[in-house]
Amino acid sequence: KAGVTQTPRYLIKTRGQQVTLSCSPISGHRSVSWYQQTPGQGLQFLFEYFSETQRNKGNFPGRFSGRQFSNSRSEMNVSTLELGDSALYLCASSLSGQVVGGELFFGEGSRLTVL
Amino acid sequence: GENVEQHPSTLSVQEGDSAVIKCTYSDSASNYFPWYKQELGKGPQLIIDIRSNVGEKKDQRIAVTLNKTAKHFSLHITETQPEDSAVYFCAASMGNTPLVFGKGTRLSVIA
Repeated sequence: KAGVTQTPRYLIKTRGQQVTLSCSPISGHRSVSWYQQTPGQGLQFLFEYFSETQRNKGNFPGRFSGRQFSNSRSEMNVSTLELGDSALYLCASSLSGQVVGGELFFGEGSRLTVL
Repeated sequence: GENVEQHPSTLSVQEGDSAVIKCTYSDSASNYFPWYKQELGKGPQLIIDIRSNVGEKKDQRIAVTLNKTAKHFSLHITETQPEDSAVYFCAASMGNTPLVFGKGTRLSVIA
């Protein structure tokens, strides 16, 4: 069974640009969550999508957005990039979403560097 | 909202010794506490979890304990091996809310 696939794995952007990251969940999983991982802050929740609907949203500015398609694949977009957006962006899929006891299956992440 | 504090941030142990990582949470409504292990270059992976109606859970060399009164939970790894070297994250959740993670503990097992 294929795991969670994130693309691209690495990318470099400059301030002011925008970026789109993609996540393909495990087959059959309807929930996709996104987390930002930085050395100082650990894993910070961005948002969760379930059956194409945003179910939860973290405390990030409106420059961070996402969506989910009918095949459960998800994208997140960051506009007007800032230096502080440099991070590893992790996508996690789950069968029933972020409910009690619902295991999250993480991808290997997309490492974004903003210059 | 929920806040999870994790200690220590780094931990070095000799192979064969035990390792303990502690977490505290702020919201007494939290009822699910998983632990994730992240190896270099990989995404976090669930290694064990515990729910609020259980005080302790074991899986081979790994155990987790929960004290709801004090709002803290701990991960115990016995007979550590080099392959246990990784970053460990605790997390907490209440019902349908997203997992809130601690900032991680980098465990190094010295052979």
